[in-house]
Amino acid sequence: QSALTQPRSVSGSPGQSVTISCTGTSSDVGGYDYVSWYQHHPGKTPKLIIYDVSERPSGVPDRFSGSKSGNTASLTISGLQAEDEADYYCCSCTGISTYVFGTGTEVTVL
Amino acid sequence: EVQLVDSGGSLVQPGRSLRLSCTNSGSTFGNYALTWVRQAPGKGLEWVAFVRSKYYGETTEYAASVKGRFTISRDDSKGIAYLQMNSLKTEDTALYYCARLYYYYFDYWGQGTLVTVSS
Repeated sequence: QSALTQPRSVSGSPGQSVTISCTGTSSDVGGYDYVSWYQHHPGKTPKLIIYDVSERPSGVPDRFSGSKSGNTASLTISGLQAEDEADYYCCSCTGISTYVFGTGTEVTVL
Repeated sequence: EVQLVDSGGSLVQPGRSLRLSCTNSGSTFGNYALTWVRQAPGKGLEWVAFVRSKYYGETTEYAASVKGRFTISRDDSKGIAYLQMNSLKTEDTALYYCARLYYYYFDYWGQGTLVTVSS
C-alpha cells in the first residue's frame, strides 16, 4: 500500500488560507468517507483535527475544514495563525482493513 | 478520559526482538481498537498494526512492511496493549506511538517510545 500523496510544503501569511491536498486511489481515499487529518508539531504527539472527511473534534477551531472529491481529500486552514505552523498528515482506511497515511505536508507561516 | 503511555523502546541489534507496551492510565479502553503508528527519523507517519476489541474477537491487521514479524495483542484486564517485534531490521528504527482507533480515526495518542535498531 503506497503512501497517499501530499505536497511537501505549503506556506502563507497570517490571516491567509492554505489548502493541502491528499491524493490516493479508489481503494482508499476515493472508496471511503473515512479520511482523517492530523497536526504534528515536532517533538509533540500528533493531534486529530479532522475525521470522516469533514468532521471536527470538539476543541478544534473552525478555521480547519476538510473535504473530498474523487480520490483527493483536502484540508483547508483559513485565517492562518502562527501556531498552525506544523506538519500535517492525512490518513485513510483501505479496502483491506488497513490504514495508510499521507506523505506529510509542512505548513510554514510567513 | 483515555491516557496512553508508551514504553519499552530501546537500542537493539538487527535480528533481535523487542516488546513495546501501551498502558492506559485513564478509563478502560476495552471497548475500542488499539493501533501502533511509527515515525522513522526524518520521515512521515506510518501505520503499523491494530487490534480490535474483544467484542470483535481481538482480531488483528498489519502493514505489509511488518506482517509476519510483528504481533499486536492486548490484555484488557491490565489495560495494556503490546507490540511484539521480532527479526528487527535497521529500517524499523522509529518513534513508535500507540493510539486509540475510534471507528476509523486515531483520537488519543501516547507520547511515543523510541526504538533504535543498530549493531
